[in-house]
Amino acid sequence: EVQLVESGGGLVQPGGSLRLSCAASGFTFSSYWMHWVRQAPGKGLVWVSRINSDGSTTNYADSVKGRFTISRDNAKDTLFLQMNSLRAEDTAVFYCARGVNIAATGTVGYWGQGTLVTVSS
Amino acid sequence: DIQMTQSPSSLSASVGDRVTITCRASQSISTYLSWYQQRPGKAPNLLIYATSTLQSGAPSRFSGSGSGTDFTLTISSLQPEDFATYFCQQTYTTPTFGPGTKVDIK
Repeated sequence: EVQLVESGGGLVQPGGSLRLSCAASGFTFSSYWMHWVRQAPGKGLVWVSRINSDGSTTNYADSVKGRFTISRDNAKDTLFLQMNSLRAEDTAVFYCARGVNIAATGTVGYWGQGTLVTVSS
Repeated sequence: DIQMTQSPSSLSASVGDRVTITCRASQSISTYLSWYQQRPGKAPNLLIYATSTLQSGAPSRFSGSGSGTDFTLTISSLQPEDFATYFCQQTYTTPTFGPGTKVDIK
């Protein structure tokens, strides 16, 4: 069974940093594109970032480019999102997600339960 | 970035109704279009990808069609568990989601 478990969320002050982690199990982690998607309270889904299977290719939404960094450790089946210079508008539930199949670069087939990031003073 | 719009933003329907949701892209995305369902307090769930491919485990009452810029999600006979919010997503370039369509009980 595919499992994605996020951690690292919490309350942070504007301008601060957080590092989210996503522990994957139940599949060959090193074969899949992985994504972060966020959802502000009561709002829609916003794609944040993706990374290819070996970590050599990354993409970001314009709203986080230069502030967030996605990475992965295939030896530990773990995905990361380093978030710097956080703003109030970054407040959201952050979901870790896996491509629907090995070839999928954009469609997400599996989601974690999400971790809440709150940016507030 | 490619912008996605959805219509309507919300709709009210009854169990057994046929429901259609429309998604439009700001430029052609071929058939790189996916649909997700999200129930309150839950993570999204993939229903359809590549415009019309039903994800494993998704009920056959869900179907998708379209190409280029205009796409539709159809629920042939609405069931109680289908009351949720539906999002489209383009995967032609760096992914973007539509704003969502909330389906609630009439």
